[in-house]
Amino acid sequence: SQKIEQNSEALNIQEGKTATLTCNYTNYSPAYLQWYRQDPGRGPVFLLLIRENEKEKRKERLKVTFDTTLKQSLFHITASQPADSATYLCALEPVYNQGGKLIFGQGTELSVKP
Amino acid sequence: ETGVTQTPRHLVMGMTNKKSLKCEQHLGHNAMYWYKQSAKKPLELMFVYSLEERVENNSVPSRFSPECPNSSHLFLHLHTLQPEDSALYLCASSQAGTGLDNEQFFGPGTRLTVL
Repeated sequence: SQKIEQNSEALNIQEGKTATLTCNYTNYSPAYLQWYRQDPGRGPVFLLLIRENEKEKRKERLKVTFDTTLKQSLFHITASQPADSATYLCALEPVYNQGGKLIFGQGTELSVKP
Repeated sequence: ETGVTQTPRHLVMGMTNKKSLKCEQHLGHNAMYWYKQSAKKPLELMFVYSLEERVENNSVPSRFSPECPNSSHLFLHLHTLQPEDSALYLCASSQAGTGLDNEQFFGPGTRLTVL
């Protein structure tokens, strides 16, 4: 069956360290993968998209990698800050260009301590 | 603000009530979505409208009835709900189509409690 899995355990790190979150998928061949941030009681906010032919994408302190052989994406936040504390979701479109349907992982909760 | 608004933000209803959730997007997008988010579970896609036509109905019970009168507005009509329907209901929009990235913009959600 098709699945997307993210670290189910909450991730606690110290301010200034790099946070690394994992997204694994099975039985999909996505054209791209997206990462979102969600704060409690709010809707997700889009952060980054990485395509199947891109190994790495960066935006300020964020970095995303995409390994289609391992079927895995890693999401890194460098020089983390307490304001980065949130739940981070990965998402992919299971069939490209089919009405915009996205499948989401369950999210990983990140807590950055001062 | 993301350009997607939802009302009401909170709703408490009994199992025999009828209510509606409203979503409006100000981004000129051609696709709108309803998602259900329960505690500790992934976002569940309920309905997709593309160019005002429903293109996806993810086996959602008939007690949830969507309506998309135009490309900017989306409603979710609720009737005879069950307590397990209590959740955060999120609306999203995107510009979907060939060669586009389908980045989705979410509203703040409606926190629904069914008594």
